[in-house]
Amino acid sequence: DTAVSQTPKYLVTQMGNDKSIKCEQNLGHDTMYWYKQDSKKFLKIMFSYNNKELIINETVPNRFSPKSPDKAHLNLHINSLELGDSAVYFCASSQPGRSPLHFGNGTRLTVT
Amino acid sequence: RKEVEQDPGPFNVPEGATVAFNCTYSNSASQSFFWYRQDCRKEPKLLMSVYSSGNEDGRFTAQLNRASQYISLLIRDSKLSDSATYLCVVNGNSGYALNFGKGTSLLVTP
Repeated sequence: DTAVSQTPKYLVTQMGNDKSIKCEQNLGHDTMYWYKQDSKKFLKIMFSYNNKELIINETVPNRFSPKSPDKAHLNLHINSLELGDSAVYFCASSQPGRSPLHFGNGTRLTVT
Repeated sequence: RKEVEQDPGPFNVPEGATVAFNCTYSNSASQSFFWYRQDCRKEPKLLMSVYSSGNEDGRFTAQLNRASQYISLLIRDSKLSDSATYLCVVNGNSGYALNFGKGTSLLVTP
């Protein structure tokens, strides 16, 4: 019954590896997001897709590539992981415009 | 100037106290305002939307002051379970992005 689900919940990997995080929402929302929450707890938007179209692409290294196969799914692939990528990554969805976000429970990425 | 600014706290208050948080935003064209709550190691959850006329939900009251570009959250009769980080959220230029403040930490003590 989870509205926004992301996997895995925890991800521990070594520098230089490539990893993916998956996200799915069953709320029928048109817009999905990836947010990063760093060690200082600041939540910063990375990407947003509306109906599979990329609409927000903040200043994020090219090593991060989002993919939206359909409007219910938004995955995040990260190449050549670096120590600084360690953070919690939250997927979220909403209707566009003035609607609030609904978050997944986060993926805690640790790069060693 | 950061898009959304909040006093990080922490605010330590006894049970039953009234506590208020303020948040300022830089984009005068913003139309959507929210307060979220985030517990330790959990995802943010919507506490309440903030409407122009102000709104109340039980012990929680939110106000919007467009002229001064700030929103506020008032919590009455604080409970231990109110201990969390409260995030101020404002929509950005594109209308799609929601910008988060860094959060205000609240600890309610017995």
